Amino acid sequence: GENVEQHPSTLSVQEGDSAVIKCTYSDSASNYFPWYKQELGKGPQLIIDIRSNVGEKKDQRIAVTLNKTAKHFSLHITETQPEDSAVYFCAASRAGGSYIPTFGRGTSLIVHP
Amino acid sequence: DTAVSQTPKYLVTQMGNDKSIKCEQNLGHDTMYWYKQDSKKFLKIMFSYNNKELIINETVPNRFSPKSPDKAHLNLHINSLELGDSAVYFCASSQGRSLGQTQYFGPGTRLLVL
Repeated sequence: GENVEQHPSTLSVQEGDSAVIKCTYSDSASNYFPWYKQELGKGPQLIIDIRSNVGEKKDQRIAVTLNKTAKHFSLHITETQPEDSAVYFCAASRAGGSYIPTFGRGTSLIVHP
Repeated sequence: DTAVSQTPKYLVTQMGNDKSIKCEQNLGHDTMYWYKQDSKKFLKIMFSYNNKELIINETVPNRFSPKSPDKAHLNLHINSLELGDSAVYFCASSQGRSLGQTQYFGPGTRLLVL
């Protein structure tokens, strides 16, 4: 089955800095990679996703990159703000077969004002 | 206009009791899930239903029994609660098995077993 590793487990930055969270996956057939943000006391919410036919996707201050050869993908947050503080999860899944996404163990991002 | 709702939000109960958590989605999705999130924030899939049919059962004790009366509802019943069942339980839904499975999560039910 799929195995997703996520690093770091905790990331502390100053407001305005950039933050990068990295994930690796094991199943080369995985073709969909969403990122979820979980704020305190809430359920995870999708913030950005990328499919295997694309190398990079950007949405305002967040971007995701995918390297299919190396089987890793990353979340980049620029100009971090205190409201970016949350737990971020990466996931990997594929159409057909086991379509349940496999989640990473999460990264707790703390943005200091 | 909540997409995925769960009740109750908090549940405090004694060991050995039986409890239920309800979930409803108004997104018209075909697939629903239950996840357990432990104290270290790890999200573990428990069950998945597609069009009211059980698809995934991930080595969950048979004290946990999901029930899907219709496509929009997936309830979780837990018998003989144990201390280790204390966690946050999330319901989620997705459109189906098409390419890409964006999951929409509910707000969670915080279960504390004393």
